[in-house]
Amino acid sequence: GAVVSQHPSWVICKSGTSVKIECRSLDFQATTMFWYRQFPKQSLMLMATSNEGSKATYEQGVEKDKFLINHASLTLSTLTVTSAHPEDSSFYICSARGTANTGELFFGEGSRLTVL
Amino acid sequence: EDQVTQSPEALRLQEGESSSLNCSYTVSGLRGLFWYRQDPGKGPEFLFTLYSAGEEKEKERLKATLTKKESFLHITAPKPEDSATYLCAFRGGGATNKLIFGTGTLLAVQP
Repeated sequence: GAVVSQHPSWVICKSGTSVKIECRSLDFQATTMFWYRQFPKQSLMLMATSNEGSKATYEQGVEKDKFLINHASLTLSTLTVTSAHPEDSSFYICSARGTANTGELFFGEGSRLTVL
Repeated sequence: EDQVTQSPEALRLQEGESSSLNCSYTVSGLRGLFWYRQDPGKGPEFLFTLYSAGEEKEKERLKATLTKKESFLHITAPKPEDSATYLCAFRGGGATNKLIFGTGTLLAVQP
């Protein structure tokens, strides 16, 4: 299957700082990338959909000014958690769908964010 | 409202004890039912996609089936390394291509 790389795999930051998470498709071009959030023992909650070269589409209840998404190229999307607070601590996972549009998503390894 | 429900929430099996996981869905215009495996602290790993009722797919000890209302993930003679959370997801109709996930079944296979 296609490979999606996510970085960093874990990060600890102080409250009020901003954190950037990168998601790269390594062996295919991803026209669409998705960002999910997962709390302990819960399922994946879709946060936003990013399309290369256009603005991200956020799910209801997700603050677009807090979670900035940029999809500048066909292989890279970034999620920036701005002015992070302890309640933003979570497991963030990106996924990508290739140009074949067969439906399945390929996921990164996830990024564990802990805000102190 | 489109939704998917997985059961049971957790399942403990002995090695070699076959069983099935259930994913019930109510989706208008289903454009794919997906199964993923997720290990702790990792991203989900793609297993299967099913598109139409009656379709079946197999991979090693796993077999996924689909009806008009539900999908089953059958695990035959499981091994401890099959322990993981199994997630199903659907791709709904309309213009969106997003996948919506169920809450998952946590499977523990004891030696």
